[in-house]
Amino acid sequence: GAVVSQHPSRVICKSGTSVKIECRSLDFQATTMFWYRQFPKQSLMLMATSNEGSKATYEQGVEKDKFLINHASLTLSTLTVTSAHPEDSSFYICSATPLSGTFYGYTFGSGTRLTVV
Amino acid sequence: RKEVEQDPGPFNVPEGATVAFNCTYSNSASQSFFWYRQDCRKEPKLLMSVYSSGNEDGRFTAQLNRASQYISLLIRDSKLSDSATYLCVVNIGKLIFGQGTELSVKP
Repeated sequence: GAVVSQHPSRVICKSGTSVKIECRSLDFQATTMFWYRQFPKQSLMLMATSNEGSKATYEQGVEKDKFLINHASLTLSTLTVTSAHPEDSSFYICSATPLSGTFYGYTFGSGTRLTVV
Repeated sequence: RKEVEQDPGPFNVPEGATVAFNCTYSNSASQSFFWYRQDCRKEPKLLMSVYSSGNEDGRFTAQLNRASQYISLLIRDSKLSDSATYLCVVNIGKLIFGQGTELSVKP
């Protein structure tokens, strides 16, 4: 149980275009999902907390207008990188916990490797 | 100061060796603690939770000292398959990751 599916696993896009990444909880409901970014040789950095039915909470330094998050249902959150540039190339990972209101047992998606050319 | 700090790596050890990873955290209100393992270009996977009483899972032992805000992971009889990056993770209402320590186990 507690499977998180992330799609696509890899994407290459041209500079200036937008890319949407999906994160789905397959066998549980997740009122909260998290989006992370990881640059090579660095750790995961939390970008934002996605809350079902409300606005996402962004970490300091993360542009909310550039990284659009939508959490329209209890099983789906999407991250859209708008007007992507080469510096946005990174490994994006989502996570969710099946226990609403608690923070134990985070499950991660398999990640999306974004390359902007 | 980083919220979660780990030993710098990489650690290169022979098979069968015992290796210890250390981690400190700065937020005294941290709620829960974990060790995750991340293989190259993959997502992190939960290795084990960490409790003040200490907990063991086979060859892995984790320990938490809340007073000194210190977390440790001990791997005994290391295997080639243990080669990975080990991430110390603290929950402050959201997961905060350390920078990770790379472990390479050699034959």
